[in-house]
Amino acid sequence: NAGVMQNPRHLVRRRGQEARLRCSPMKGHSHVYWYRQLPEEGLKFMVYLQKENIIDESGMPKERFSAEFPKEGPSILRIQQVVRGDSAAYFCASSLTRDSEQYFGPGTRLTVT
Amino acid sequence: KNEVEQSPQNLTAQEGEFITINCSYSVGISALHWLQQHPGGGIVSLFMLSSGKKKHGRLIATINIQEKHSSLHITASHPRDSAVYICAVGTSGSRLTFGEGTQLTVNP
Repeated sequence: NAGVMQNPRHLVRRRGQEARLRCSPMKGHSHVYWYRQLPEEGLKFMVYLQKENIIDESGMPKERFSAEFPKEGPSILRIQQVVRGDSAAYFCASSLTRDSEQYFGPGTRLTVT
Repeated sequence: KNEVEQSPQNLTAQEGEFITINCSYSVGISALHWLQQHPGGGIVSLFMLSSGKKKHGRLIATINIQEKHSSLHITASHPRDSAVYICAVGTSGSRLTFGEGTQLTVNP
């Protein structure tokens, strides 16, 4: 049973480009969470999704960031017109139910040049 | 004041020592999590607890709901335990709020 998968593991984008980060939850998990870890900072919640629905996006920047978790396929975190301040590690986690243990993916390290 | 406070921020120990990392929180929680982040960056969930005590190998986690405090203990520490240990609390809607982490270094 594969764990949470994220790809790419490393992503380099120039300022102004778009970044797409993918997360495949553990088999059977329908709850997905995205967290961001800025350099030398702690983890921060971004968004919580359940299949086809955004449940809580209170941690998501209002502009340029969006997330989806379609009926089929991985969850996608999309960052438009990236800026240097978006450089960070983005972690995805999944859980079986709303309040059960969250399992983390390996993260995507985004570097904006 | 952060909702989740960890202490110490940095901890250096000699192999074999008993280690304690503390976590205090100021909000109502559904559960508390202890996570381990290795130098490569990957995050592993160690414990999820809402009351009492849990043990897994050399790791023990306790929580006191009334005092809003949790501790992570490592017995017979080993250099491979060197990592960042993160306390996180589940609040409304299952989102996690994280402490700043404790950098543990265990020297041989």
